[in-house]
Amino acid sequence: EVQVVESGGDLVHPGGSLRLSCAASGFTFSNAWMTWVRQTPGKGLEWVGNIKPDGSKKYYVDSVKGRFAISRDNAENSLYLQMNSLRPEDTAVYYCARDPGGDSWGAFNIWGKGTTVTVSS
Amino acid sequence: DVVMTQSPLSLPVTLGQPASIACWSSQSLVYKDGNTYLNWFLQRPGQSPRRLIYKVSNRDSGVPDRFSGRGSDTDFTLRINRVEAEDVGVYYCMQGTHWPYTFGQGTKLEIK
Repeated sequence: EVQVVESGGDLVHPGGSLRLSCAASGFTFSNAWMTWVRQTPGKGLEWVGNIKPDGSKKYYVDSVKGRFAISRDNAENSLYLQMNSLRPEDTAVYYCARDPGGDSWGAFNIWGKGTTVTVSS
Repeated sequence: DVVMTQSPLSLPVTLGQPASIACWSSQSLVYKDGNTYLNWFLQRPGQSPRRLIYKVSNRDSGVPDRFSGRGSDTDFTLRINRVEAEDVGVYYCMQGTHWPYTFGQGTKLEIK
């Protein structure tokens, strides 16, 4: 079955750190652009960042640049999101998704169920 | 950043009637390769988003043919020919032409 499963969401204090994970299966992970998208409570979707299949290029939305870092382990079919200097406005459900990349940029065709991050004192 | 604007934000529709959602971008979504990376997603209540349409008008497998997408450059439309109960949810347009990718605000479709 083609799927991605996120984990690692938690309650964290402002200024704290958290690492999210995404386990992929059912497709060739090492060939896939991967992305993180978040959804703040009661609001819409925001793209967080992307990573190239070999991990050599990463793109981020301005609001997380310098604080968040996307990485991957192709041997483990896993995607990660390291979040540092967390702020209350980072509170959201974080989704992992596959981006078809050069064939259809941004046309995320595999989504996980999401993991919840709450930043609060 | 490219701003994606959707209208309406709330869309009450009678079962069996058509529905249409407009999406505008603040810049052209035509990429240097000639493709237009405008995508539509549906998020049903309590679920993750799912892709409906990619590159303006390409319907995903399993998406009923009552859904169609059209448009070009900066103006796009998602149309549902005859709304069914399972179509309830929030529809998002999203552009993948420019970094950062950006979503529209979402259009909440409900049954009257």
